[in-house]
Amino acid sequence: DAKTTQPTSMDCAEGRAANLPCNHSTISGNEYVYWYRQIHSQGPQYIIHGLKNNETNEMASLIITEDRKSSTLILPHATLRDTAVYYCIVPTAGGTSYGKLTFGQGTILTVHP
Amino acid sequence: GAVVSQHPSRVICKSGTSVKIECRSLDFQATTMFWYRQFPKQSLMLMATSNEGSKATYEQGVEKDKFLINHASLTLSTLTVTSAHPEDSSFYICSGGGGFHTFGSGTRLTVV
Repeated sequence: DAKTTQPTSMDCAEGRAANLPCNHSTISGNEYVYWYRQIHSQGPQYIIHGLKNNETNEMASLIITEDRKSSTLILPHATLRDTAVYYCIVPTAGGTSYGKLTFGQGTILTVHP
Repeated sequence: GAVVSQHPSRVICKSGTSVKIECRSLDFQATTMFWYRQFPKQSLMLMATSNEGSKATYEQGVEKDKFLINHASLTLSTLTVTSAHPEDSSFYICSGGGGFHTFGSGTRLTVV
């Protein structure tokens, strides 16, 4: 898997947008960027993924830079329940969603009242 | 969406005994499932890849004779921790393909 770099921790006020950055400068042209989160003592939860275009679903938006070397996960209106560890993962091409995932340390997002 | 059910959620066992953890895909068939382990304040580490009808593939450093994996059907994979010791106490998580790696809720194993 391509190496990703994320800040160790971030804070966000409830109701505000949470913007979580991820650097993946060694990403290859056909490798996707995946985001998962893990709430304390639970299994990880899939959030969103993308290749080159920006993506949006009911949970979040994913903004990928034109050179694809970095991306930002956006939680538009963070709630206390969004407090979790957020993982940015770039699986080796060919594996994508059916291959194994390599988890880094992720970003601990704390949403406060 | 895809659902993976993992049981038990918590288990306490005595040192030297064996513990079995089940991972079921409820609404999809999983030819491949993955088993992870997570120690406190650490990230998930892949232990092994479970393949239906064939032997599991273990990551480097994971003892295959200690962590027995069985994937006898397309909806069930089991992980048995044999001769458990306190250092095996951890959070074990399974995941299935089913789209975007649907994860189970995890099993907290405590060996006393």
